[in-house]
Amino acid sequence: GAVVSQHPSWVICKSGTSVKIECRSLDFQATTMFWYRQFPKQSLMLMATSNEGSKATYEQGVEKDKFLINHASLTLSTLTVTSAHPEDSSFYICSATRDSSGNTIYFGEGSWLTVV
Amino acid sequence: AQSVTQLGSHVSVSEGALVLLRCNYSSSVPPYLFWYVQYPNQGLQLLLKYTTGATLVKGINGFEAEFKKSETSFHLTKPSAHMSDAAEYFCAVSWLGGAQKLVFGQGTRLTINP
Repeated sequence: GAVVSQHPSWVICKSGTSVKIECRSLDFQATTMFWYRQFPKQSLMLMATSNEGSKATYEQGVEKDKFLINHASLTLSTLTVTSAHPEDSSFYICSATRDSSGNTIYFGEGSWLTVV
Repeated sequence: AQSVTQLGSHVSVSEGALVLLRCNYSSSVPPYLFWYVQYPNQGLQLLLKYTTGATLVKGINGFEAEFKKSETSFHLTKPSAHMSDAAEYFCAVSWLGGAQKLVFGQGTRLTINP
């Protein structure tokens, strides 16, 4: 079956530094990828929609300059948290869709970010 | 705006008992409906989904859900709970023309008592 992989699974960084999280579709081409964040004991909130070769579309309230999303190829999207602060600590999950019907969506394993 | 409501943030059942997790949605267009399960410190795993066709959908691990348009509901059930079912369950909706974005419910934590 289709697999979406995220790396790293766990990352700890110092305040003020930047950290990059990768999301890869391993056996299909993903024209669209989505980034979500999940705070402890809460639901997933969509951050942005990433389309290959174009700028990401951010949800209201998500800082574009802080959460940089790049979707340079059909199998890779990256989320960079710039100038990270402790409040950015969260579980970040990506998903990818392999077709345009909207009913086949695969999630990555998620990445835990802790900012100290 | 589309929204998803899961009734009960925490459900506790005995092993072997019926599991019922409730999900209602609001959508002005025909939705696609999903149930995901999240085990501790892991990502999301798709349990089942409804897109078109039969309204009773069977998923993995013995779970099933029924789409009831008149009630705007998509409740998740399992006849007999197993200890391994303990996890967080999320109902989600997307819709044709919604750019495949998923809107998630708040989640329901299922606890299984021995």
